[in-house]
Order: sequence, then C-alpha cells, then structure tokens
Amino acid sequence: GAGVSQSPRYKVAKRGQDVALRCDPISGHVSLFWYQQALGQGPEFLTYFQNEAQLDKSGLPSDRFFAERPEGSVSTLKIQRTQQEDSAVYLCASSLDSGMNTEAFFGQGTRLTVV
Amino acid sequence: AQSVTQLGSHVSVSEGALVLLRCNYSSSVPPYLFWYVQYPNQGLQLLLKYTSAATLVKGINGFEAEFKKSETSFHLTKPSAHMSDAAEYFCAVTLNNRLAFGKGNQVVVIP
Repeated sequence: GAGVSQSPRYKVAKRGQDVALRCDPISGHVSLFWYQQALGQGPEFLTYFQNEAQLDKSGLPSDRFFAERPEGSVSTLKIQRTQQEDSAVYLCASSLDSGMNTEAFFGQGTRLTVV
Repeated sequence: AQSVTQLGSHVSVSEGALVLLRCNYSSSVPPYLFWYVQYPNQGLQLLLKYTSAATLVKGINGFEAEFKKSETSFHLTKPSAHMSDAAEYFCAVTLNNRLAFGKGNQVVVIP
C-alpha cells in the first residue's frame, strides 16, 4: 500500500475488555515496530519484528500485552483485560530493513480509550 | 544507553520568525539522530536525519538541523515560521534497532 495503515483509528473499551489493534505495514518492509504514546509524551517502544520473528519485546508493559506478525506482514497488538492506564495512542511503524539509520514510516495510530 | 532531551514542551513563535527547537542527546557512540513532526491526528513524519555524512542536515519544509558533537546537540531550526508549521516535533535517537524519542515540543505559530 501507499503507507502504513492502522485500524481501527479509534477504540473505546470498557475496563477488563480485550482489544486487538491491526497494523498493515508498507509492502516489502522487513521491520515492524509498535510504540505507545501517552497524552503529552513522546512515543515509547513496545516491540519489534523482523519479518515474522519478534526480536525484541522488552517494551511491553505487562503480560497482558501480546503482539504477533505470523506471516511477516500484517501485525496485531492484543491487550487483554484492558485497564485505564492502557489509554494511549498506539503507533505502528515499518522500515525497509533493520539498519540503524533506515527511515521508519509511521501509521496514523489507534487511539485507545479505556473507560 | 542513548536518549534525547527536549526542553520546553510548548514553544510559541510569531509567523515569519525563527523557529528553534533544542535537542540534546546522550550517547557513548556516534548516534543516528532524527527529527519527526506530528500533525494533529496524524502519524509521525520524518523531517530529517543525521547519519554522520554531514553535520548540517537539510530536511523537508525548510527545516534544518546541525549536529554538534562538542555540545551533544542536534537543534532544529527554520528561518521563517509559517502557520502550517504548527505541530508537535520530536527528536529521536536510534537505540538497539529502534527509536528513543524525546518528550516533544508543541509549536504554536502566532499570526
């Protein structure tokens, strides 16, 4: 596609509900990242995939957070038993390769509000 | 570990005036540094990046940044602000194959 696509754009979840956030990266991009952006803050790293392999999940805040990229393309970030502190914008980014200076392209994000 | 510091969350600038956003980094090795811009309800867009090829980096929309190793800085400038520059700006450094972002500067342009 033309860019990184995320869905849904907005999600309201009741506390305790499970949610799934989808990311469609740019076709052919090897690397995929998830970031969490709280209100008034910069994005914080959650997890990183190279193709289908999850190479780094050190940023996931708890075991309620789970991400997958089974075929090395589309990725899903799942949050179980959502809590109010999970409210944030979740950004997905992809890059052509894993080089340190390779540009990452960001999606518009999914704004999650837990009520 | 590498990180970046951006001071002053909100920056007001008059239309036509200089835009200056400060970014300082901490790094034990030569860093890769980036500036991203985020317009309301949009994803982050790359403005420019430093990759050691040149210390003065020119980006899109008239922005540029200068890498100063002695000051561990990578400040972003634009000579003349335009109303369309109102957005949030993030400085970032590469950290273990991912980006570590500063807290951002919300730029308000005053007509």
